[in-house]
Amino acid sequence: SAVISQKPSRDICQRGTSLTIQCQVDSQVTMMFWYRQQPGQSLTLIATANQGSEATYESGFVIDKFPISRPNLTFSTLTVSNMSPEDSSIYLCSVAWVSANEKLFFGSGTQLSVL
Amino acid sequence: GENVEQHPSTLSVQEGDSAVIKCTYSDSASNYFPWYKQELGKRPQLIIDIRSNVGEKKDQRIAVTLNKTAKHFSLHITETQPEDSAVYFCAASIFVGTASKLTFGTGTRLQVTL
Repeated sequence: SAVISQKPSRDICQRGTSLTIQCQVDSQVTMMFWYRQQPGQSLTLIATANQGSEATYESGFVIDKFPISRPNLTFSTLTVSNMSPEDSSIYLCSVAWVSANEKLFFGSGTQLSVL
Repeated sequence: GENVEQHPSTLSVQEGDSAVIKCTYSDSASNYFPWYKQELGKRPQLIIDIRSNVGEKKDQRIAVTLNKTAKHFSLHITETQPEDSAVYFCAASIFVGTASKLTFGTGTRLQVTL
């Protein structure tokens, strides 16, 4: 099976700063998504990362706060901008392949704490 | 949009007993229903899934059933073992073309006691 790598795995950041999370897959994927999992909570879709174009954001999430890039079929970044303590969460990259019948698989996650 | 409810939020069973987790969904157009297992500090792992053209699917000790009319689906784990202890999430989505966008339930924390 393919490897989905995320980095950093965890970080502690100061209020008002930004953090960029990277997601790298070792094979080309059809779809890439970014999810947020707040402490003890379920997974909430932030956006669909579209290759070569602007991401598609879910209700409650905006590009200025969570800019996303996807320059090719194996890589995407999520930036959490102007952070506040409420942004403390686990951020998960997820991917789907045509060959896997579009089943969704998750990266290892980035645990973010904002002080 | 889709709304998925999951019950119970916590479930404690003795080793060897069965566990059942239930979910309901709101969008009748949803056609794909996966289940994920998340151990503490780890990523969610897909354990079984079912599509709307199938009523039941089984994989060893795990089975999933789907009732499209009632819009609910369930995860059944038989002969539970301590390593089954984890948080389980159901999800529902509309699978169209090349993508399925998942809406997750709130999760069930399963504890298997010796």
